[in-house]
Amino acid sequence: GENVEQHPSTLSVQEGDSAVIKCTYSDSASNYFPWYKQELGKRPQLIIDIRSNVGEKKDQRIAVTLNKTAKHFSLHITETQPEDSAVYFCAAMGTAGNKLTFGGGTRVLVKP
Amino acid sequence: KAGVTQTPRYLIKTRGQQVTLSCSPISGHRSVSWYQQTPGQGLQFLFEYFSETQRNKGNFPGRFSGRQFSNSRSEMNVSTLELGDSALYLCASSSMTAGETQYFGPGTRLLVL
Repeated sequence: GENVEQHPSTLSVQEGDSAVIKCTYSDSASNYFPWYKQELGKRPQLIIDIRSNVGEKKDQRIAVTLNKTAKHFSLHITETQPEDSAVYFCAAMGTAGNKLTFGGGTRVLVKP
Repeated sequence: KAGVTQTPRYLIKTRGQQVTLSCSPISGHRSVSWYQQTPGQGLQFLFEYFSETQRNKGNFPGRFSGRQFSNSRSEMNVSTLELGDSALYLCASSSMTAGETQYFGPGTRLLVL
């Protein structure tokens, strides 16, 4: 089955700096890659997603890149703010229904 | 539209008991997926229901089961509870086809004593 690895597991950045989280997946048939942000005690919230026919997608301070050949995708957060502090999860989905395989999560701490 | 809702939000059970959790998807969504979240194992897929049929199943023992009703509401059941079943159980709904965005509910936090 699909396997998603996520790095780093923790990330501490200074406010205003950029944060980058990287994920690799194993199933070349995967074609949908969402990123979720989960604050303490809250539900995972979708922040951005990308499909396999697109190499890059941007939404304000957040961008995601996808390299299908290498089977990896990354989340970039620019101009980080304290409210960006949370756990971020990458995930991959194939074509057989709505089954998401998640990475292990990255705990991001933005220091003021 | 109202978001995904789950009941109950918190639950305490003892080993050997069974539990039923409920999920109401976003209006119009027909796919409901269930996930287990634990500090050690992270977010793991349990199963997905679409139009009252199980479409996908994760690697969990048969003690974990689910169903979906004609109004797309879904329930999951865990029988013969074990301490290791303590977790946050999340459901997510999506509109229809595979590869659609999934929106999560607030989860049910289950503690097994």
